Amino acid sequence: GQQVMQIPQYQHVQEGEDFTTYCNSSTTLSNIQWYKQRPGGHPVFLIQLVKSGEVKKQKRLTFQFGEAKKNSSLHITATQTTDVGTYFCAGRWTGRRALTFGSGTRLQVQP
Amino acid sequence: ETGVTQTPRHLVMGMTNKKSLKCEQHLGHNAMYWYKQSAKKPLELMFVYNFKEQTENNSVPSRFSPECPNSSHLFLHLHTLQPEDSALYLCASSQIKNIQYFGAGTRLSVL
Repeated sequence: GQQVMQIPQYQHVQEGEDFTTYCNSSTTLSNIQWYKQRPGGHPVFLIQLVKSGEVKKQKRLTFQFGEAKKNSSLHITATQTTDVGTYFCAGRWTGRRALTFGSGTRLQVQP
Repeated sequence: ETGVTQTPRHLVMGMTNKKSLKCEQHLGHNAMYWYKQSAKKPLELMFVYNFKEQTENNSVPSRFSPECPNSSHLFLHLHTLQPEDSALYLCASSQIKNIQYFGAGTRLSVL
């Protein structure tokens, strides 16, 4: 079936360093969403990207959707300890109602 | 508080027990979802309901039986589970094809 591949699985950074997680689909996506799950918590919606080449920013977070709508990235500038958690991308294909979640990237930030 | 309430928060059951997980959403959404989250598969979609009708069943074993009596309530009936079914079970709701709001989850342990 259709899958969304997400890398890396885990990343440990020093506070202040940047962080990026990537998602790839073998086929064109209709849209992609990003969620964050804090340790012991549940996934919380961050953003949705719909247009080819779209870039959206939320403070230190930058989200991109590829021109071919097959890949996406989340970049965090100058990480803080509050950024700790697992970041999931979730893709949707045309004609399918449900989202397919990537495997997530667990971010650990060393103070 | 996301507007999606799951009960119980924790559940320990034997392999011969029958139990039910409950999910209630107060957001006026028309789609509800069950996910399984474990170390092996971080966010695995189990069932999707749109307007009380089941639209997806991702090859889930019959020992898991969903029920959606109305657009606000979703149940997951459990019977003769296996130890490998121990996981966090998350419920989510959305308007169709829109942002998903997750409950806090039920942490299930099967002994």
